[in-house]
Amino acid sequence: GAVVSQHPSRVICKSGTSVKIECRSLDFQATTMFWYRQFPKQSLMLMATSNEGSKATYEQGVEKDKFLINHASLTLSTLTVTSAHPEDSSFYICSARTGQGDLEKLFFGSGTQLSVL
Amino acid sequence: GQNIDQPTEMTATEGAIVQINCTYQTSGFNGLFWYQQHAGEAPTFLSYNVLDGLEEKGRFSSFLSRSKGYSYLLLKELQMKDSASYLCAVMDSNYQLIWGAGTKLIIKP
Repeated sequence: GAVVSQHPSRVICKSGTSVKIECRSLDFQATTMFWYRQFPKQSLMLMATSNEGSKATYEQGVEKDKFLINHASLTLSTLTVTSAHPEDSSFYICSARTGQGDLEKLFFGSGTQLSVL
Repeated sequence: GQNIDQPTEMTATEGAIVQINCTYQTSGFNGLFWYQQHAGEAPTFLSYNVLDGLEEKGRFSSFLSRSKGYSYLLLKELQMKDSASYLCAVMDSNYQLIWGAGTKLIIKP
């Protein structure tokens, strides 16, 4: 089946630094990619929706200047956590969808565990 | 508002059958998903229902009733490795996934 590659799987960084997370669809073109974060014992929370070649749509309460999303091609989306702080520590997951007509083709990356010291 | 409800935790015995229920109220409906998530890992896709009825995939089955805003995930012949959280998610009219908080399933020998 289709594979979504997300890396790094784990990152530990110092407060104030920036961290980039990549999400790649390996064998299909993803017109839309979603970025989620999950706090311990809570559900996944949608952060933003990114469409190839256009600006990402952010969910209410998500700072677009802090969580920069770039979807430059049909196979790659990146999430950059700028000036990370300890409260940004979380599990970040991306998912990719091939198109609105194929609702079943929604695949998830393996996730990135971010720890900010 | 949009809401997905599922039990917080369930316990079952190895080899038995367990049914995890999910009720939802969303702005539009473009399908309901069930995912399995082991601790520290990303969720993995289990099933997708967009029409009423039962979908069977091996030991796992998923049922949907759109008129009742209700779904369940049925797990048969439970194995210890089935211990995980099971997430119910509904895709709304904007193709956004609305997630439930997950049901932690504990399997006992």
